[in-house]
Amino acid sequence: GAGVSQSPSNKVTEKGKDVELRCDPISGHTALYWYRQRLGQGLEFLIYFQGNSAPDKSGLPSDRFSAERTGESVSTLTIQRTQQEDSAVYLCASSFSRQGGYTFGSGTRLTVV
Amino acid sequence: GNSVTQMEGPVTLSEEAFLTINCTYTATGYPSLFWYVQYPGEGLQLLLKATKADDKGSNKGFEATYRKETTSFHLEKGSVQVSDSAVYFCALSDLTGGFKTIFGAGTRLFVKA
Repeated sequence: GAGVSQSPSNKVTEKGKDVELRCDPISGHTALYWYRQRLGQGLEFLIYFQGNSAPDKSGLPSDRFSAERTGESVSTLTIQRTQQEDSAVYLCASSFSRQGGYTFGSGTRLTVV
Repeated sequence: GNSVTQMEGPVTLSEEAFLTINCTYTATGYPSLFWYVQYPGEGLQLLLKATKADDKGSNKGFEATYRKETTSFHLEKGSVQVSDSAVYFCALSDLTGGFKTIFGAGTRLFVKA
C-alpha cells in the first residue's frame, strides 16, 4: 500500500484481556519495527524484524508481549493479560534500508480500563 | 549503550523567530542521525537525516549538521511559522545497536502568531 497501515486505530479493553494489534507495512520494506509511546513521552523500542533474520526482541517489556511477522508482510503484536500500564499508543514503522529513515503508521491507541 | 538526549520542552517562540533544538548522542559505532516531527494528531514523519560526520540534513527550512567532535545534531530553522508547532524527536541508529532506532524524549515546540 501507499503507507504503513495499523489497525485498529483505537482499542479499549478490560484489564486482563488479550489484545492483538496489526501492522501492514509498505510493500517491499524488509524491516518492520514496533514502538510504544506513552502519553507525553518519547518512543520506547519494542521489537524489530529484518527480512528472514531472527527478530530483535530486546525491547519487549515482559513475557506478556509477543509479536510475529509472516515473511515481509503483516505483523501482529499481541499483549496478553493486559494491565493498565500497557495503555499507550503502539506505533509500527517500516523501512527499505536499515540505515534509512522509517515510515510510521498512525498508531493504535490502546486504553486498558 | 546508545542514547539520545535532547533539550526539554516546551519551547515557545514567536513567528519568524530563530529556532534551535539541541540534541546530543552517545553511540559506540558510527550512527546515522535523524530528526522526526509529530504534528498534532498525526503520526511521526521523518524530517531530515545525516549518515556521516559533517553531513548536513535539510528539509522544509530546517537543517541539522552531524558533529562528531561534539556528538551533536542540533536542529535549526531561521524563521519559524505557526505551522511548525509540533513535537520534534532526535534519533540515531547504528550497526552496534542492530540498526534499531533510538529516540530522544521529544521536544514540544509552540509557535505564536
